[in-house]
Amino acid sequence: GAVVSQHPSWVICKSGTSVKIECRSLDFQATTMFWYRQFPKQSLMLMATSNEGSKATYEQGVEKDKFLINHASLTLSTLTVTSAHPEDSSFYICSASSTGAINQPQHFGDGTRLSIL
Amino acid sequence: AQSVTQPDIHITVSEGASLELRCNYSYGATPYLFWYVQSPGQGLQLLLKYFSGDTLVQGIKGFEAEFKRSQSSFNLRKPSVHWSDAAEYFCAVGAQAAGNKLTFGGGTRVLVKP
Repeated sequence: GAVVSQHPSWVICKSGTSVKIECRSLDFQATTMFWYRQFPKQSLMLMATSNEGSKATYEQGVEKDKFLINHASLTLSTLTVTSAHPEDSSFYICSASSTGAINQPQHFGDGTRLSIL
Repeated sequence: AQSVTQPDIHITVSEGASLELRCNYSYGATPYLFWYVQSPGQGLQLLLKYFSGDTLVQGIKGFEAEFKRSQSSFNLRKPSVHWSDAAEYFCAVGAQAAGNKLTFGGGTRVLVKP
């Protein structure tokens, strides 16, 4: 149980294009989803927290207009990297929580490796 | 603000030997503590968590961790490692007062020698 699917797993695109990453909770309803960014051989940095039906809360230093997050249903959140540039290349990981409370575990997707040429 | 330190970037251990990964946290009250494992190119899997109660917690895959308030530590242990335990391990801390967000340590990469 508690499976989170992230798609695509790998994407390569040209500089200036926009890329959408999907995060789906397959067997539970996720009130809250989290988006992380991970640079090579580094830890996960929280980018934003999204709650179903409301605007995402971004961490300090994360550009809202660059990283658009939508959480329109209890099973789907999307992250769109707009006008992507090489410095946006990274490993993006989502997690989903049934309630968002800290005592409810976050279930992680397998990540999306984004490479901008 | 909450923070997590994992002092060891890399650890190499022989298959069958014991393993201990260190984790130190900084937070004003008792935090929620987690250990996750990440295989290359994949997401994170929860090994175990500590919220309250017994300070020695058992997790999946034969792992256990001990919460020591006096040392602000939450070290992960396994008595006998298997080659499949080679991965990156992350300690994380969270708290309701911190918006229910997780803060991760820098990670420890475990290599298992045959």
